[in-house]
Amino acid sequence: GAVVSQHPSWVICKSGTSVKIECRSLDFQATTMFWYRQFPKQSLMLMATSNEGSKATYEQGVEKDKFLINHASLTLSTLTVTSAHPEDSSFYICSPRGLGGSEQFFGPGTRLTVL
Amino acid sequence: GQNIDQPTEMTATEGAIVQINCTYQTSGFNGLFWYQQHAGEAPTFLSYNVLDGLEEKGRFSSFLSRSKGYSYLLLKELQMKDSASYLCAVRDSNYQLIWGAGTKLIIKP
Repeated sequence: GAVVSQHPSWVICKSGTSVKIECRSLDFQATTMFWYRQFPKQSLMLMATSNEGSKATYEQGVEKDKFLINHASLTLSTLTVTSAHPEDSSFYICSPRGLGGSEQFFGPGTRLTVL
Repeated sequence: GQNIDQPTEMTATEGAIVQINCTYQTSGFNGLFWYQQHAGEAPTFLSYNVLDGLEEKGRFSSFLSRSKGYSYLLLKELQMKDSASYLCAVRDSNYQLIWGAGTKLIIKP
């Protein structure tokens, strides 16, 4: 399968600070990037979808000004959680997909804890 | 609306066989995926079915019937490390994945 990395793997921050999560597809070109979050004992929830070079499309209920997504290249996408609050504490997972790709892979995830 | 149903939890014995079912109702169909997720980790890809029939990959097999909106994941020769959640997901007409809530599989010695 594809190699996908996320950085950092975990982060603890104070309420009100911003956190940037990087997702890299190391061995294929990610034309589409999905960002998910997962709360404990719940299924994955799609936050947004972005195509390389375009603005992201956010799911209902996800604040686009709070969760900034940049997908400027085919191998790198970033998610910035701005002014994080404790309720933003979650497991954030990126999922890149190549053009015409049948499989959809996942990064290892980033566990965010906001104090 | 779109809906994916799978059992919440199943228990099986080491060395045995277990079948995890998934039924779906989605707007369009562009493939069905099975993922394994261990606690605290991201999902890992197991299988992809887009045509009816059985796909075998080692100890794991996945079956699809599009007319019935039904799939199952079959795990043979169960090992303790197979204890995990198994997620069924369907790609809809917009090419987005619709996720089931996952089946927690508990393997007992």
